[in-house]
Amino acid sequence: DSGVTQTPKHLITATGQRVTLRCSPRSGDLSVYWYQQSLDQGLQFLIQYYNGEERAKGNILERFSAQQFPDLHSELNLSSLELGDSALYFCASSLGPLDEQFFGPGTRLTVL
Amino acid sequence: AQSVTQLGSHVSVSEGALVLLRCNYSSSVPPYLFWYVQYPNQGLQLLLKYTTGATLVKGINGFEAEFKKSETSFHLTKPSAHMSDAAEYFCAVNLQTGANNLFFGTGTRLTVIP
Repeated sequence: DSGVTQTPKHLITATGQRVTLRCSPRSGDLSVYWYQQSLDQGLQFLIQYYNGEERAKGNILERFSAQQFPDLHSELNLSSLELGDSALYFCASSLGPLDEQFFGPGTRLTVL
Repeated sequence: AQSVTQLGSHVSVSEGALVLLRCNYSSSVPPYLFWYVQYPNQGLQLLLKYTTGATLVKGINGFEAEFKKSETSFHLTKPSAHMSDAAEYFCAVNLQTGANNLFFGTGTRLTVIP
């Protein structure tokens, strides 16, 4: 158990819908990362937050957005969902912005 | 541009045999290198990492990897495979460009044959 929690574990929704994935980092960690794991694209970095501020951006679609709240939990919002958004979404956290990352168990999103 | 290449999407070994999973990277600056393992329906667990210093890195569960700058490689090895080693293994690189995002290889699924 890495100490990073993600909810929900599974999510099934329809095309065009919007969903929110939640991540709670390890106690004391200030940085949160989001990754997408799909059959087509493999594991891809989406976005990083550090202490509430966006730190780095990767291959995140404009339909996706994220934020980190004052209590340091993070949410990833996915809107106008497409079939191709079906994937496993991982959250990771680290103490500082350049420290080792610890991964959560992931949220499996299925878009029908 | 692809930063990490894992040769072999599937590797099968017999129980007790040597495990060798290959990883090559491309980077203009010395990278930080990682191996992660993913068991079915679970998240990623760090096996080992190379940042600086000794090029032979020992990790958990008997795995080790050697950073070879001249070959731009960071292959993962284990002398004797165990059934519990069956999983997917990912090599990742942090390019140390000021960001901490990891670039992952496509993964290698390890099967251990009893």
